[in-house]
Amino acid sequence: ERAMTQSPVTLSVSPGERVTLSCRASHTISNNLAWYQHKPGQAPRLLIYGASTRATGIPARFSGSGSGTEFTLTINSLQSEDFAVYYCQQYNNWQMSTFGQGTKLELK
Amino acid sequence: QVQLQESGPGLVKPSETLSLTCVVSGYSISSGYFWGWIRQPPGKGLEWIGSIHQSGKAYYNPSLKSRVTISVDTSKNEFALGLSFVTAADTAVYYCARQDDIFGLEQLVPLYFDCWGKGSLVTVSS
Repeated sequence: ERAMTQSPVTLSVSPGERVTLSCRASHTISNNLAWYQHKPGQAPRLLIYGASTRATGIPARFSGSGSGTEFTLTINSLQSEDFAVYYCQQYNNWQMSTFGQGTKLELK
Repeated sequence: QVQLQESGPGLVKPSETLSLTCVVSGYSISSGYFWGWIRQPPGKGLEWIGSIHQSGKAYYNPSLKSRVTISVDTSKNEFALGLSFVTAADTAVYYCARQDDIFGLEQLVPLYFDCWGKGSLVTVSS
């Protein structure tokens, strides 16, 4: 199983800041990684796939990078609507898709 | 616009079978993609349960495989989840989602989830 570890678990930030979230895979997964945003009571939203490709309609302030085992999601100029939990998902092992445990962005 | 909506009982007794349906609108399941189920126990992260293609090809999380059945009904444009012998540990919000795919390794390979339902809370309790 490709275990996915996200850090930090919680990040306290202020609007306007630049934030970087990390996701580490226990085995190399090439660029087969997606990022999701999840707000309470809402459907999770796909942000990034292929480690760095923004999904349709996702603002340019969201960017993804990385390959192999180390990945990052960067949010430039954080907006109030960006406070949420963010998950990474590996699909390199397509018979067993796995998610990270999530990083919660909270208001400082 | 593609929309997915989960439905089913919100309360299931221990040892019984949890059954949920996901109705898809705005896209025909027969046209392709995989269709998956993911759950989130209270206070925890997301766990993939399994995914199915309209052809019937399905993949399941090995930790749940012995108890899970996922089926697709193209005539109703919906797919379903069955989870047998449930316990309190199966209490969670259950999401259905569309999963993009690609033809590789001489077969269709599921990728990321590009469209999700809002989720359905299922509580296992007597």
